[in-house]
Amino acid sequence: SAVISQKPSRDICQRGTSLTIQCQVDSQVTMMFWYRQQPGQSLTLIATANQGSEATYESGFVIDKFPISRPNLTFSTLTVSNMSPEDSSIYLCSVEGGREGYNEQFFGPGTRLTVL
Amino acid sequence: GENVEQHPSTLSVQEGDSAVIKCTYSDSASNYFPWYKQELGKRPQLIIDIRSNVGEKKDQRIAVTLNKTAKHFSLHITETQPEDSAVYFCAASRTFGNEKLTFGTGTRLTIIP
Repeated sequence: SAVISQKPSRDICQRGTSLTIQCQVDSQVTMMFWYRQQPGQSLTLIATANQGSEATYESGFVIDKFPISRPNLTFSTLTVSNMSPEDSSIYLCSVEGGREGYNEQFFGPGTRLTVL
Repeated sequence: GENVEQHPSTLSVQEGDSAVIKCTYSDSASNYFPWYKQELGKRPQLIIDIRSNVGEKKDQRIAVTLNKTAKHFSLHITETQPEDSAVYFCAASRTFGNEKLTFGTGTRLTIIP
């Protein structure tokens, strides 16, 4: 499976500020995914990021709040904008595994965000 | 869209006993069903997956069964060990077109020594 890294691993931010999270993969992948995992909860897909096109956002998530960049096949960023305490979560990127006919995803280590 | 329900939300079993976690899905076009294990403070890790063209898959102490007619699938862990303690998530997706995974709500499994 791909080796995925995220930066930062954790951060504490003030209300109203923005944080950009980076996701780096050691191999080229077509699709990258960004998830949010609130404390004690399941994984919720924020958006799917394909290289060379606009990200596709899930219901309840908008580009103004969570802008995403995907400049190449190994890198993506997610920005959490104008943060409030409700944005305190773990943010995870994931990538597809690549097996034909399967849709497995492998996750990065996550970014633990606390908003004060 | 797809909806995945998972039960139970918490499960405690004696070490050495078996554990079963069940999920149901709503989209009859879903044909891929992975299970993830998430230890405290760690990322979710894929532990086993199954496609809809098979009814059961086994990997050492873990197995997954699928009933496409009833739209439910289950994770079975036998001879449980303390290191099996974690949160387990099921998921479902199609493998063509709309490929996003929809996750269940998770099961916190505790193995009692």
